[in-house]
Amino acid sequence: QQQVKQSPQSLIVQKGGISIINCAYENTAFDYFPWYQQFPGKGPALLIAIRPDVSEKKEGRFTISFNKSAKQFSLHIMDSQPGDSATYFCAARESGAGSYQLTFGKGTKLSVIP
Amino acid sequence: NAGVTQTPKFRILKIGQSMTLQCAQDMNHNYMYWYRQDPGMGLKLIYYSVGAGITDKGEVPNGYNVSRSTTEDFPLRLELAAPSQTSVYFCASSLRPGRTGGYGYTFGSGTRLTVV
Repeated sequence: QQQVKQSPQSLIVQKGGISIINCAYENTAFDYFPWYQQFPGKGPALLIAIRPDVSEKKEGRFTISFNKSAKQFSLHIMDSQPGDSATYFCAARESGAGSYQLTFGKGTKLSVIP
Repeated sequence: NAGVTQTPKFRILKIGQSMTLQCAQDMNHNYMYWYRQDPGMGLKLIYYSVGAGITDKGEVPNGYNVSRSTTEDFPLRLELAAPSQTSVYFCASSLRPGRTGGYGYTFGSGTRLTVV
């Protein structure tokens, strides 16, 4: 059972454009939604995160939009740069589970072309 | 601070061999996790630990074992390696989330394992 569905699987964006990656979830007990960025040969690194009591969070060129009623959240990368080319993972956590484990989406490979 | 350190970075195993993937963190994090990453499949949780002496199974624990004798170390043991265990393995750690805050994981750089 895939608890966090991520799309698209791959994305090609021109430099300066907007990259949008979407995630959807079913478990209403999820209460923390981070995004991770992974470069080839490296471990994932936390990019930005949001809790369900806010609808949007912005950090520089990266914005998370959160729609609690639709159980969806998305990552927007404004003014995309070639250096943003990486694989992006959305994730969700159910704090009440005790383990605080993250459930990850399958990832989106972003390529930003000059 | 070194963060999360994983060794080795690469390893080739023959079917039926055993090995231990090492993971150490120096951030005094209580929570530690082992994930495996397969192409197009995201990260799947193998085992996790909420503190020294406490471990539990994740989504894909079969063929693996863990121990947590100290806060710093969380080794992953593969017994009787099989081709299906060919993957990239990531160790991660985190603080216990506070009431209003969430803490992300700090990941190691991974171990790429090939079983032939």
